[in-house]
Amino acid sequence: EDQVTQSPEALRLQEGESSSLNCSYTVSGLRGLFWYRQDPGKGPEFLFTLYSAGEEKEKERLKATLTKKESFLHITAPKPEDSATYLCAVPVDYKLSFGAGTTVTVRA
Amino acid sequence: NAGVTQTPKFRVLKTGQSMTLLCAQDMNHEYMYWYRQDPGMGLRLIHYSVGEGTTAKGEVPDGYNVSRLKKQNFLLGLESAAPSQTSVYFCASSPTGDYGYTFGSGTRLTVV
Repeated sequence: EDQVTQSPEALRLQEGESSSLNCSYTVSGLRGLFWYRQDPGKGPEFLFTLYSAGEEKEKERLKATLTKKESFLHITAPKPEDSATYLCAVPVDYKLSFGAGTTVTVRA
Repeated sequence: NAGVTQTPKFRVLKTGQSMTLLCAQDMNHEYMYWYRQDPGMGLRLIHYSVGEGTTAKGEVPDGYNVSRLKKQNFLLGLESAAPSQTSVYFCASSPTGDYGYTFGSGTRLTVV
């Protein structure tokens, strides 16, 4: 069965303390892996799409990487404004299947 | 601004009442989706549509119905609301189902 699993569920960081979030997937014939950011009370906001193992994408303090079985979202020197829930998702039969998300809290 | 618009943003229903949530997109996307989001469970697909006049069941379709009479609109109906349907509902659209998903800002529904 196709599945997307994210860890950890929650991550509390001190400002400037770098860390990584994990998204593992079991999908045959991967057609892309998406990362979204979601702020409280808002809809998911697109961050990155990764298509093949070894691919990397960067945006400000965020860098996403992809292997054949998992993706990592690295947060480098985070700031309080990076606090959010980060979701990963894969398209399966033209529908997005989501992980449960990692809630990141960055303290000043 | 182009995007996905959901109405209403908030609603409180009594058990057994009915209501319709409206999703409108102005990007000419073929695919539209309704998800619900509950704490600790992520986004789960309720129903989806691959084009005007089509609908299909997702992961958690029971208790909901949908219609897509116009390409730009996707309606989600609750015929007899139950407390278990208390959730945040998100609509999304995509040009092909493989990329370019855009989400609305959500509808927070409470059933008492």
